[in-house]
Amino acid sequence: NAGVTQTPKFRVLKTGQSMTLLCAQDMNHEYMYWYRQDPGMGLRLIHYSVGEGTTAKGEVPDGYNVSRLKKQNFLLGLESAAPSQTSVYFCASSLNTAKNIQYFGAGTRLSVL
Amino acid sequence: RKEVEQDPGPFNVPEGATVAFNCTYSNSASQSFFWYRQDCRKEPKLLMSVYSSGNEDGRFTAQLNRASQYISLLIRDSKLSDSATYLCAVNGNSGYSTLTFGKGTMLLVSP
Repeated sequence: NAGVTQTPKFRVLKTGQSMTLLCAQDMNHEYMYWYRQDPGMGLRLIHYSVGEGTTAKGEVPDGYNVSRLKKQNFLLGLESAAPSQTSVYFCASSLNTAKNIQYFGAGTRLSVL
Repeated sequence: RKEVEQDPGPFNVPEGATVAFNCTYSNSASQSFFWYRQDCRKEPKLLMSVYSSGNEDGRFTAQLNRASQYISLLIRDSKLSDSATYLCAVNGNSGYSTLTFGKGTMLLVSP
C-alpha cells in the first residue's frame, strides 16, 4: 500500500553539486510528474512522463533532467545545483485516463547552499 | 488572466461555520477539475473531483460553472481538522495529461 514513494526526504547540497531524486510508484500508473513548490508560487510542473521511455518539459524545466527507464520509476536530476533550486519537490503519478487524478509522494526538501 | 487563480486567504472561521472558496480558470476547453487539500509541510491529497452537475461528499460540496469558468468548494459545519490549504487543479493548459494547480487558499478554523 506504498503508493508514491520519494527518496530522499531531505537533502542539503552545496552550489555546483549534483544529485538525483527518485520517485517510485506501485500503482501501475502510466503518467508521472515532478513539481516544485515554493512559498507564494504554488506547485509548478518541472517535467513529466506519459509512459516508459518518454519525458516532456513542464513549466520550469531549466536546470533539471529526468529519466523514465522503468514504468514505476521517475528520476529527477540536478546536474549543477543552484541556490534557486532550494525548494520542496513533489512527485506524482496518475492513470492514463482523461480524469487524470494525481497522487503525490511525501516530498523531498532540498536546500542548496 | 492567470491560468488558475485562487484567493490566498487566509479565511479565518469559527468551528461550525460554512465557508466557500472559488477558483477561476482561463482555458475554456478544460475538462477535469479537482480540489486537493494540503496540510502544512505535507503533500497535496485529493479531496474531491468536480463534476459538471456538482457533487457532494459529506460536508463538502463542489460546483463547476463553465459559463463563468470557475469551480467552487463549500465546506459546511467546519471542524478544527479542516484547517489546511485547499488547492484547485484544472487540466488542459499543457495538454490533457497535465494539471495546472492554483496557489491555494488557506483555511484556519478556530474553536
